[in-house]
Amino acid sequence: DTEVTQTPKHLVMGMTNKKSLKCEQHMGHRAMYWYKQKAKKPPELMFVYSYEKLSINESVPSRFSPECPNSSLLNLHLHALQPEDSALYLCASSQSAQGASSDTQYFGPGTRLTVL
Amino acid sequence: RKEVEQDPGPFNVPEGATVAFNCTYSNSASQSFFWYRQDCRKEPKLLMSVYSSGNEDGRFTAQLNRASQYISLLIRDSKLSDSATYLCVVNIISSGSARQLTFGSGTQLTVLP
Repeated sequence: DTEVTQTPKHLVMGMTNKKSLKCEQHMGHRAMYWYKQKAKKPPELMFVYSYEKLSINESVPSRFSPECPNSSLLNLHLHALQPEDSALYLCASSQSAQGASSDTQYFGPGTRLTVL
Repeated sequence: RKEVEQDPGPFNVPEGATVAFNCTYSNSASQSFFWYRQDCRKEPKLLMSVYSSGNEDGRFTAQLNRASQYISLLIRDSKLSDSATYLCVVNIISSGSARQLTFGSGTQLTVLP
């Protein structure tokens, strides 16, 4: 089973709201990722968790706050977002973050976020 | 210069055609390479990993030339269902020994009946 699940599928929020995106995988993967994808652009890496520790933060604004409660779960907490943050937010997981050929990343279906 | 560069596309080809996508990467320390496909409003899905010896999966053939830092994907006998955006993906060293995937901008393929 190579499934990564994400909830919700769609989210509309105002600029003053606080919301969370959730991601789950049961493949025993030890690396999990958050990406942001705008229309007609490739995914852009936001955060990498390796063995439940944040290992990469790609200079993401503090209004995005990741959390990894355990090895299967990854959350992205959102607060005071801007309309330009509207995008598809993708979660992915891989066996490890070492970058070997075996560390294929599997993506969830994404959360389509609209900030009004 | 972008770290991963792909053919700009779009490619519009008739069913049954052979189509080739090219990709170059700038970081010679890159160690693993992939082609992903992404359908409209869907997540990227792994099409195939790319190995130094080249590899084939049905109608799809991937090649890697480390000396030229060049990756290719060949699709034979195109089907309508092959219409998608194809993303060239390379792992690069981020900070310390951590590695991350870097995506090319993608090439859009439309197979026409």
